[in-house]
Amino acid sequence: DGGITQSPKYLFRKEGQNVTLSCEQNLNHDAMYWYRQDPGQGLRLIYYSQIVNDFQKGDIAEGYSVSREKKESFPLTVTSAQKNPTAFYLCASSGRSGEKLFFGSGTQLSVL
Amino acid sequence: GQQVMQIPQYQHVQEGEDFTTYCNSSTTLSNIQWYKQRPGGHPVFLIQLVKSGEVKKQKRLTFQFGEAKKNSSLHITATQTTDVGTYFCAGNIRDYKLSFGAGTTVTVRA
Repeated sequence: DGGITQSPKYLFRKEGQNVTLSCEQNLNHDAMYWYRQDPGQGLRLIYYSQIVNDFQKGDIAEGYSVSREKKESFPLTVTSAQKNPTAFYLCASSGRSGEKLFFGSGTQLSVL
Repeated sequence: GQQVMQIPQYQHVQEGEDFTTYCNSSTTLSNIQWYKQRPGGHPVFLIQLVKSGEVKKQKRLTFQFGEAKKNSSLHITATQTTDVGTYFCAGNIRDYKLSFGAGTTVTVRA
């Protein structure tokens, strides 16, 4: 079954802690993205990657980091520098940049 | 800031009625995409419009792309309870990333 898998579904972060959200796809897509969703604000782009070993900052990259060592994987780390991390995080992929997005089921991150 | 504006933010519809949600961009878009997110779910791609003035239909949903490629609309006829959710437009300003509107959240009164 082809798709995009995010884990965990729910995640809690303690103050000063870094946490990593997992995103894996088996669609053989080149491009992958991380979006943050807050109520009433739509989806805001955190980071995107058009190809393995390359990634670019989106509109709200501060306090986040990513890596793209494998085509299938694009993990997102929410660092302690992100002061307001509570949100729903969505990972997406597309065959190529600008094409339609396939989304994972999301991770709800909350602060303890 | 947000480059694609979407209105209304909320739409409460009587079952069987029609409604429209609108997207506007300050810059010309290469294309526009529409997504639907059911409550508790993730966005799912509905359609992409590329050509100036393009109109596409999916059953009761009609999508339009403006002549200037700066605006788009989604019109739903005879709303059903299955239409509940949030509808997002996403404008392709540059090829590598989309700019999402804030979404229109639709509730339906039976």
